[in-house]
Amino acid sequence: QKEVEQDPGPLSVPEGAIVSLNCTYSNSAFQYFMWYRQYSRKGPELLMYTYSSGNKEDGRFTAQVDKSSKYISLFIRDSQPSDSATYLCAMKWVNTGFQKLVFGTGTRLLVSP
Amino acid sequence: GAVVSQHPSRVICKSGTSVKIECRSLDFQATTMFWYRQFPKKSLMLMATSNEGSKATYEQGVEKDKFLINHASLTLSTLTVTSAHPEDSSFYICSAPSLDEQYFGPGTRLTVT
Repeated sequence: QKEVEQDPGPLSVPEGAIVSLNCTYSNSAFQYFMWYRQYSRKGPELLMYTYSSGNKEDGRFTAQVDKSSKYISLFIRDSQPSDSATYLCAMKWVNTGFQKLVFGTGTRLLVSP
Repeated sequence: GAVVSQHPSRVICKSGTSVKIECRSLDFQATTMFWYRQFPKKSLMLMATSNEGSKATYEQGVEKDKFLINHASLTLSTLTVTSAHPEDSSFYICSAPSLDEQYFGPGTRLTVT
């Protein structure tokens, strides 16, 4: 079993839709959770960074962490064509450097006008 | 946010030649940088940790003699793919941590013919 599971997609939605992206993980030692957005042929850029269970909102993006279920989500409201990209979840243990950052495979999102 | 650059963005080389990829932190110092490899529709896989002033730390299965890493200064790390072969063709991404976040370069696409 992989440490982090993520549906590779692609996930196709119309503009304005609410998008839900998810990852599950098996290692309960993970304490920090991140979502990165990666455009084609570009490096990933950090979108959201959370530590505790619950929700964190930033504009149209909401990150949700459920440590009891080992499940994290990223919600995108009012999705735009410019949101079309690959979204990678990542997580690491408490008090470790980024050497221990484990990525999901990424979900490709396509938002059509 | 902090900026990490990579050069070149794209390189095509013949089998058996060596290729050097540079990673620079533009507005901050990084004693540590990370090198990742990403295959199409796959997640980022950490190859090695580059340490300024000391030897790089390689992940299991990564040949240190093939992927030479030099962390020449607090803002520059280089990855040299020696005697490249077609199976080395991939997207190579570097990253550098700053405070509590990790910033990625735009990536280098290597094609070995």
